[in-house]
Order: sequence, then structure tokens, then C-alpha cells
Amino acid sequence: GAVVSQHPSWVICKSGTSVKIECRSLDFQATTMFWYRQFPKQSLMLMATSNEGSKATYEQGVEKDKFLINHASLTLSTLTVTSAHPEDSSFYICSARWTTDNSPLHFGNGTRLTVT
Amino acid sequence: KQEVTQIPAALSVPEGENLVLNCSFTDSAIYNLQWFRQDPGKGLTSLLLIQSSQREQTSGRLNASLDKSSGRSTLYIAASQPGDSATYLCAVNDYKLSFGAGTTVTVRA
Repeated sequence: GAVVSQHPSWVICKSGTSVKIECRSLDFQATTMFWYRQFPKQSLMLMATSNEGSKATYEQGVEKDKFLINHASLTLSTLTVTSAHPEDSSFYICSARWTTDNSPLHFGNGTRLTVT
Repeated sequence: KQEVTQIPAALSVPEGENLVLNCSFTDSAIYNLQWFRQDPGKGLTSLLLIQSSQREQTSGRLNASLDKSSGRSTLYIAASQPGDSATYLCAVNDYKLSFGAGTTVTVRA
């Protein structure tokens, strides 16, 4: 089945530094990738949608200058949390879709970010 | 804006009982609906995908129904086992995937 690899699975960083999270589709070309954030005991909240080769579309309330998303190829999207603060600590999950809008989404295993 | 609601928020049953998890959504113009399982601190495991043209999908002990016109889906898990303990998330795809808050299931041995 379709596999999405997310790396790293966990990261601890100091306040003010930047962290990059990678999301790769291993056996299919992902025309669209989505980034989600999940707080403890809450559901997933969509942060942004990225299509290969174009700028990401951010959901309302998500700071695009803080959460930089790049989707440079059909198999790789990256999320960079810039100048991280403790309130950015969360679980970040990416997902990828193959071609059509009714294709199933495949999810990475998530990245646990802790900002100290 | 699509809103997805899952009821109940939590469920505790003895092993062997059947589970019924409910999901409702506000906008019926969807491509499909997916049910996921999430274990604590882990990512998502896709359980079932129902396209908007379908009424139900089955996989082993799992059966999911979809009534698009009324904005409802139900996940049935037959003969529950302790290993079924997890949070179950319903997600509606209207291009973007909108998630419900989940139902946390505990199956007691």
C-alpha cells in the first residue's frame, strides 16, 4: 500500500531556533500534501495545503511566515517551524494524496515537536 | 465550513460487545469519508474509505455505512477485543480532509 514517511519522529529544540520536518511519499507521486497539527487529546487541525510547484494555501489563523511549507517535488514536502516557541510544541502530521480529489489520504507517523 | 461531529466522545465496553461509533457532517458535498484509528502518541491508521457513491464498506470485523444526504456515517466493530482500544477518527473529504474530535474506545478484558 501507499507509504508516507515523515521525519523526524520526534525533535526537541530550543526556543528561537528553526525546525524542519520532512514528508515523503515513498511509492507514489503526491500531487497534494496536507499538514496537520494536533494538540493533546484534540483532533487534527488542518494547517495548510500544498500542491507541487505552487505556494501553499494556509488555513485561517495559521501564520505562513512562521510555518514555511515547501512542496518542491511530487514526493517531498517540508514544514519548517521558524523561530520556534514553547507554544509551538505539538504533534505535526503530514498526509499525501495521489492524483484525484477523491483519492484516499495517506498519513505519515507524525512528528512530536517539543520547544524548550 | 465543514464541521464534523463524533458521538460519543468516549466509550467503554466489555470484550466481545459490538461497538457503534457515530459521525455527522454538515456539508454533504463530499468526495468520500475515511475512518482512522489513532493509538496514543502515534500517527493515523486508515481503516475504511467510503466513496460518496457508496453506502457501506466492510473490512473484517469493521463495517462503515454512509448516508450522505443526511450527513451521517457509522462505524461498526463486531466482537470487540482489547486490541481495539484506541481513538477512532472520522474524516470527511471535500477536497480537504476535516476531522471529528474522535471517539476514544476502551475494551475491557
